[in-house]
Amino acid sequence: TQLLEQSPQFLSIQEGENLTVYCNSSSVFSSLQWYRQEPGEGPVLLVTVVTGGEVKKLKRLTFQFGDARKDSSLHITAAQPGDTGLYLCAGDGSSNTGKLIFGQGTTLQVKP
Amino acid sequence: DTAVSQTPKYLVTQMGNDKSIKCEQNLGHDTMYWYKQDSKKFLKIMFSYNNKELIINETVPNRFSPKSPDKAHLNLHINSLELGDSAVYFCASSRGGGQYFGPGTRLTVT
Repeated sequence: TQLLEQSPQFLSIQEGENLTVYCNSSSVFSSLQWYRQEPGEGPVLLVTVVTGGEVKKLKRLTFQFGDARKDSSLHITAAQPGDTGLYLCAGDGSSNTGKLIFGQGTTLQVKP
Repeated sequence: DTAVSQTPKYLVTQMGNDKSIKCEQNLGHDTMYWYKQDSKKFLKIMFSYNNKELIINETVPNRFSPKSPDKAHLNLHINSLELGDSAVYFCASSRGGGQYFGPGTRLTVT
């Protein structure tokens, strides 16, 4: 069974601080996606990483896929209150079925 | 325009009842999904349809029956509702790559 362990589960920081969220597995994934979910809404796709070692940037967010495609990280620079939300990583281990395995999520609170 | 829509947003019902949740996407995607998010925010896939054909059917009680009348719609019917069915149900769609989620349906079984 493929599992994704996300850490930390909860993070409360001050505006302007940096943070990193980790997503680890013993399984190889063909791709890994990061989503952000706000209360009362569905998850929103932030990025998909496909190639081992790949780094993608989205403004102050930097996403990295591990060389072996078993882990990923999300780094936020100078966090803003608007970054508050639930961050979910999801791995696609299937072949073309789109079956995503989700991590447990990281709840981020950025205080002004 | 809403990309993936679900109705209803909230559903409160009693144990033993039968209920349906509807989902529609206007993105032209071939694949649609149903997910269940529990009280700890853990998201787990239930079903997936590709071009109206069932391709993923996780270990879900057979009280849950998805139906896809066409590529743009995937409905979820639940028979004999139980307390443990209380959760938020999300519909999603994709054309390979990332998935686009609906706003969710919060089901409360009393």
